[in-house]
Parts: sequence; C-alpha cells; structure tokens
Amino acid sequence: AQSVTQPDIHITVSEGASLELRCNYSYGATPYLFWYVQSPGQGLQLLLKYFSGDTLVQGIKGFEAEFKRSQSSFNLRKPSVHWSDAAEYFCAVGAMGGGNKLTFGTGTQLKVEL
Amino acid sequence: DVKVTQSSRYLVKRTGEKVFLECVQDMDHENMFWYRQDPGLGLRLIYFSYDVKMKEKGDIPEGYSVSREKKERFSLILESASTNQTSMYLCASNQGAANYGYTFGSGTRLTVV
Repeated sequence: AQSVTQPDIHITVSEGASLELRCNYSYGATPYLFWYVQSPGQGLQLLLKYFSGDTLVQGIKGFEAEFKRSQSSFNLRKPSVHWSDAAEYFCAVGAMGGGNKLTFGTGTQLKVEL
Repeated sequence: DVKVTQSSRYLVKRTGEKVFLECVQDMDHENMFWYRQDPGLGLRLIYFSYDVKMKEKGDIPEGYSVSREKKERFSLILESASTNQTSMYLCASNQGAANYGYTFGSGTRLTVV
C-alpha cells in the first residue's frame, strides 16, 4: 500500500526567505505525486503534480518540486516566500491501478514571519 | 471554472442524529471521494465512487455510508452521529486516472454535540 510522510508538522520562515517542505513516499512503482495547499477554512488547491518526465516540476504561485526516486522524496520549494503563502501544505501519492485513490500526508503548517 | 460544491460550510448536530452531507460537481467527473480531515492526521479516505450507484470503502468507512444516485451528486451519510465524528469533511472529484489529481470542495465542518 502507498503511504506518505511529511516529517515537519510546523515550519516558520521569514518573508523573503527560501522554503523547502519535505515529503517522502512509499510505493513499489513510479507513483503519481502531488502537492496541495489549504488556506484557513478552505478546501485544497492543487499546486503541482508529477507522474512522468522531467523530475523538476513547476507549479502555481512560484512553487516547484523535485522527484528523487533514489530518496523516495518529492520536496516542495519556493525561492522567496510571501506572507500570503502561510497555509497548510499536503503531499499526496496516487498509483496506477490504485482505484484513483490519493493517499495524503499529515500536512505541514507554514507560518510566515514579517 | 470547475466546481465542487458542498452544501453546508458548518453543521451542528446532536448525538444519534442521522446526518447527510451533500456534494455536487459540475465537471461530469466519473470519480468522487469523501475524506475527513483531523489535526495531525491529515486527510483520510472514507468512501469513494467511480460511477453512479457504485461505491467503494476507503480507509475509515465505519459509521458512514454513501449514496450516488446521479453522476454529479455524492452524499455522505452518518447513520447515527457520534462525537468522534466531529471533523472537517472534504469532498473531491476527478476524471480518469489518479494522475489527474482531484478538485476539492471547500469542506463542511461538522460538530456533533
């Protein structure tokens, strides 16, 4: 069965600083990988996804993520964080033939200090 | 813009009540999902449906049932609400394989007292 680990529950960064949110997955074959963001009181919005091809994927709002098969990781990065990026971030993994189900991590809460 | 609409943002129900959470999507998607979200636990899949009148159990189906009579509507039913079902409930839909990702509704925060 597929699983996702987000080791950081909370992260605080200063506005303008760079950001990296960690995500490790467990799955036997090539997974489908996603990052979602959730603003307070809202549903989840897709930031970016990977399922094949270039291992560095670009998303919305200036985010990018890199798929590293050797490390089973899909870390989310942003070179310069804005105060509006404060939110909760979820990594998710899906699998071909997995009934179209996505398995989500427990989330990382990002706080941005001005 | 495509939309997944959950009929209620906030609900307060009493223990033992039968509760219906409604979700409607306007994208003609085949697949629909119900998750619950709890602090520190992330999103956990309750039930999903890949076609009208079809349903599959997710990871935590106990205490819940679902109904999908029309393609655009997927209802989550709490047969007899309990306080441990107080949570945020998120509906999602997608078309095709998992690599297309999901579109989520805004969520329903249910409190059972």
